[in-house]
Amino acid sequence: DQQVKQNSPSLSVQEGRISILNCDYTNSMFDYFLWYKKYPAEGPTFLISISSIKDKNEDGRFTVFLNKSAKHLSLHIVPSQPGDSAVYFCAASASDYKLSFGAGTTVTVRA
Amino acid sequence: EAQVTQNPRYLITVTGKKLTVTCSQNMNHEYMSWYRQDPGLGLRQIYYSMNVEVTDKGDVPEGYKVSRKEKRNFPLILESPSPNQTSLYFCASSPPGAYEQYFGPGTRLTVT
Repeated sequence: DQQVKQNSPSLSVQEGRISILNCDYTNSMFDYFLWYKKYPAEGPTFLISISSIKDKNEDGRFTVFLNKSAKHLSLHIVPSQPGDSAVYFCAASASDYKLSFGAGTTVTVRA
Repeated sequence: EAQVTQNPRYLITVTGKKLTVTCSQNMNHEYMSWYRQDPGLGLRQIYYSMNVEVTDKGDVPEGYKVSRKEKRNFPLILESPSPNQTSLYFCASSPPGAYEQYFGPGTRLTVT
């Protein structure tokens, strides 16, 4: 049973607008969360992370929000650019450095 | 350049023919791991290794073997591949105390 769920398989957004990707988890022991980005024919690359002691982390155009009570996190990309078109994976860990991944969301940024 | 390399990148084989996918990292990382990616399922961990000679099962270890004789190498072995092992495989590594894992470029395996 998947402990990390990304319920939107795809997202299409206009260039310059905000992309919001959502992720839900079921394991209350998860205390560290990451987002990875994956282009075709390449491996996933680390994008941004957040510890459970925080509710927000920013890195340039990327912001991750964590709502522990709802077991929900989201990734905001502002503004969206064509190079952001990729598959985004949400991942979580329970202090053992083992990562549990969601199924991924394919983002398409339209010019 | 710091990287994780995998070979081969693409492989088509037949049921029952033993194969090995190699993984090597040049970052002196202690932790290494193998994942498979399947549509709708994301990445699932097959095996991981906390250090040389220390390996453990992940979520989907059936049908796979690994070894960690040297720090830099972590090969994935399929003794008797079956069609349900057709998948995209990724090797990853990370330094001690870090959650962020560095991934290789992937190996697409097809078993007919």
